[in-house]
Amino acid sequence: NAGVTQTPKFRVLKTGQSMTLLCAQDMNHEYMYWYRQDPGMGLRLIHYSVGEGTTAKGEVPDGYNVSRLKKQNFLLGLESAAPSQTSVYFCASAPGGTGNEQFFGPGTRLTVL
Amino acid sequence: EDKVVQSPLSLVVHEGDTVTLNCSYEVTNFRSLLWYKQEKKAPTFLFMLTSSGIEKKSGRLSSILDKKELFSILNITATQTGDSAVYLCAVKFGTSYGKLTFGQGTILTVHP
Repeated sequence: NAGVTQTPKFRVLKTGQSMTLLCAQDMNHEYMYWYRQDPGMGLRLIHYSVGEGTTAKGEVPDGYNVSRLKKQNFLLGLESAAPSQTSVYFCASAPGGTGNEQFFGPGTRLTVL
Repeated sequence: EDKVVQSPLSLVVHEGDTVTLNCSYEVTNFRSLLWYKQEKKAPTFLFMLTSSGIEKKSGRLSSILDKKELFSILNITATQTGDSAVYLCAVKFGTSYGKLTFGQGTILTVHP
């Protein structure tokens, strides 16, 4: 099993450009999450999904959109990138329920110039 | 406001030392506290704690939760250079669907 994978690993954007980050998991998990990690701030939740076709806002959702058309995939979109979105983005997944840990992908390092 | 605070933010020790990392929280309807280790890339799961006073142990690492005083500690004995990493504490609370709120992390550096 590959676990949780993220594409791409690195990306540089110019202000105003758009892009989509892809997260895929092969563990048949119900829940999926997108976080961003900035120095000194730990991980902050952007959006999450509790099942195919459902999404919800997390702690810092502004400037991002998500979609979960298939259970195994969770996409994070930036419609008009801003320098404040320079960060490392992590995707995670977990089985349904609240008694399970989350499994994280390797991260995507995004720089917005 | 719900929050998770870790201390210290960074720590430098020598191999063989014992370290204690702290995590305190203020949340409503606490469910569980998790510890993760992050080396360069993805955080990897260490422990999940739901009950007070019950120590979880894995090799040289151990952790315990105090739900009355709202904190947890992560102990690492006989540290090795491979223990150098960021240690993240996260809390599940409320009616969230397994959502985690993370602390800032503790950067541990172990010198030979």
